[in-house]
Amino acid sequence: EAGVVQSPRYKIIEKKQPVAFWCNPISGHNTLYWYRQNLGQGPELLIRYENEEAVDDSQLPKDRFSAERLKGVDSTLKIQPAELGDSAVYLCASSLGGVAGALRTDTQYFGPGTRLTVL
Amino acid sequence: AQSVTQLGSHVSVSEGALVLLRCNYSSSVPPYLFWYVQYPNQGLQLLLKYTTGATLVKGINGFEAEFKKSETSFHLTKPSAHMSDAAEYFCAVSYSGGYQKVTFGTGTKLQVIP
Repeated sequence: EAGVVQSPRYKIIEKKQPVAFWCNPISGHNTLYWYRQNLGQGPELLIRYENEEAVDDSQLPKDRFSAERLKGVDSTLKIQPAELGDSAVYLCASSLGGVAGALRTDTQYFGPGTRLTVL
Repeated sequence: AQSVTQLGSHVSVSEGALVLLRCNYSSSVPPYLFWYVQYPNQGLQLLLKYTTGATLVKGINGFEAEFKKSETSFHLTKPSAHMSDAAEYFCAVSYSGGYQKVTFGTGTKLQVIP
C-alpha cells in the first residue's frame, strides 16, 4: 500500500514569491492534515480536512496561506507571498476519519514533507 | 489544554545501552499518548500508542513505553540501542473522541555512539 505522497520534496524560493505544495493521502483516508514543522520543533497543525471540508483551520495564517481539497482526495497548500519566516518543513498526514476513525484511535500517517527555504 | 514536555533535546547512548527518552504530559481529560520517530529527511512514523487498557505498550523496533497516570509520564525505552535507532523522537498527546487533535512535543534527538 502506498503511503502519503508529497511533492516537491524541496523548494527554494525568494521572499514574496508564491509556492504550492501537493499531497496525495493514503487511499481510503477521509481525513487530511497539513502541519508545519519549524527547525527543532514538533509539527504544528495548520489545517484539517474531513473529505473536502476544512473543519479546523484555526491555525492557518489566512492572509497568506490557503489550502484546498476539491475532490476530497489530494490537497494543495499555497503560500502567497512567502516570507522569510515561512522556511520550514510542511508535512501532510492522513487518517481514516469518518465512522471508522471514530471507533478507534485515528492514527495519522505522515508523508516525507516538503522542505521550504525562503531566501 | 493539552501539552507534552520532552526532557532533553539531545540524548546520547552507547550502542547496546539502555535508551530512555522522557515525556510528561498535561491533559485535563484521559489522554491518548503517542511516540513517533523521524529519520532525517523523512516524515514521522508511529512507534507506539497508548489509548486505554494495559499501561505498558510495546511498539515497533523493540521500543516500549509505560503510561503512569500518577506521574503524568509516558517515557520511551529500549533495552539495547542499535545504530539504526539514531533519529528524532516525538512524544504526542491527544484525547478520546471523534476528533483527536494531536499536540506534539519539541522532540528528542537520539545519538547512538558505536
